[in-house]
Amino acid sequence: EAQVTQNPRYLITVTGKKLTVTCSQNMNHEYMSWYRQDPGLGLRQIYYSMNVEVTDKGDVPEGYKVSRKEKRNFPLILESPSPNQTSLYFCASSSYFTGIREQYFGPGTRLTVT
Amino acid sequence: EDQVTQSPEALRLQEGESSSLNCSYTVSGLRGLFWYRQDPGKGPEFLFTLYSAGEEKEKERLKATLTKKESFLHITAPKPEDSATYLCAVQGETDKLIFGTGTRLQVFP
Repeated sequence: EAQVTQNPRYLITVTGKKLTVTCSQNMNHEYMSWYRQDPGLGLRQIYYSMNVEVTDKGDVPEGYKVSRKEKRNFPLILESPSPNQTSLYFCASSSYFTGIREQYFGPGTRLTVT
Repeated sequence: EDQVTQSPEALRLQEGESSSLNCSYTVSGLRGLFWYRQDPGKGPEFLFTLYSAGEEKEKERLKATLTKKESFLHITAPKPEDSATYLCAVQGETDKLIFGTGTRLQVFP
């Protein structure tokens, strides 16, 4: 089954404690992206990657890091989480070479930073 | 600046009561307009891609249409299982995907 998986699904942590949210896709997609979703603000892009070792900032990259060492994986790293990073996070992937961003989303990770 | 506005924010329908959701957009060089369905606590699920004005696509009770300034998602004879938030997004010549804030649809039996 074609899918995007994320782990963990729920996470409660404290300010300053480094964490990583994993994302993996099995569709051989080149393009992967991280979004956060907040009430009234919609989906906002954090980082994206067009292929292995190629990453770039989205609209709200501050406080986040990513890496793309393998095509299927695109982890999101919060080096020093703060309460304003409490949000619902989604990983998504799409085929880059079609040029059209029909993105397929993971199930989401609900992060609470206290 | 590329922008997407969806209306209404929320819509309550009786089962069988057809209606439309609106997505107004401003984008340089539209490459694609996308509709997604999102259930509470879940990731958006891809529904349709529209590429040019005049195009229409259908899936079960849903029909998406596109003009040069807006897209409509028509829901014919909705059922309670159609209750969800419907998201619209556009991709312009910058390749960036811009999402609207969605319309929350509730269908009552």
